[in-house]
Amino acid sequence: ELKVEQNPLFLSMQEGKNYTIYCNYSTTSDRLYWYRQDPGKSLESLFVLLSNGAVKQEGRLMASLDTKARLSTLHITAAVHDLSATYFCAVDIIGNQFYFGTGTSLTVIP
Amino acid sequence: DTGVSQDPRHKITKRGQNVTFRCDPISEHNRLYWYRQTLGQGPEFLTYFQNEAQLEKSRLLSDRFSAERPKGSFSTLEIQRTEQGDSAMYLCASSFLLGTEAFFGQGTRLTVV
Repeated sequence: ELKVEQNPLFLSMQEGKNYTIYCNYSTTSDRLYWYRQDPGKSLESLFVLLSNGAVKQEGRLMASLDTKARLSTLHITAAVHDLSATYFCAVDIIGNQFYFGTGTSLTVIP
Repeated sequence: DTGVSQDPRHKITKRGQNVTFRCDPISEHNRLYWYRQTLGQGPEFLTYFQNEAQLEKSRLLSDRFSAERPKGSFSTLEIQRTEQGDSAMYLCASSFLLGTEAFFGQGTRLTVV
């Protein structure tokens, strides 16, 4: 069975600091997505990574994909309070059957 | 286009009752997905459609769950004989092509009492 694991599950970081969230998955895929979810809200698409070595950046967030290592990272640069949310990676195995990770709950402390 | 729309946003039902949720996808999207999300977990894939064809339904949680997309536009998810364990957020998403991201609706929060 496919497993998508994120690390860490909970992250508390100070404003201005950098950190990386890791997403490991257990089967071959070259399509990976990152989503953000605020409490009580739906999921907002952040990044679409469609090939090995793909790197996307938006503001203080940067995502990368290593399909050989079955690993994606979401790097946070100089965190700000507005980034507090839960972040999910999702692996697409067959026809957009997204398999979501466990989520990383991020709290940015002033 | 206002995005993926789900109705109702909240539903409280008594155990044993049937419930039906509606999802209106982004108009040009031909793929539609249903997910369930419980507290503290990531969304769990249930089923998906390409146009009106239901291409995967083996991951529906039990035979009490069914979904339709009769004209390839909106979709409904029905849960029969609800149980307390069905309490969750039910999310609908749509996408245009394979390899593009899915856009999620606001979800329907179901509480079974």
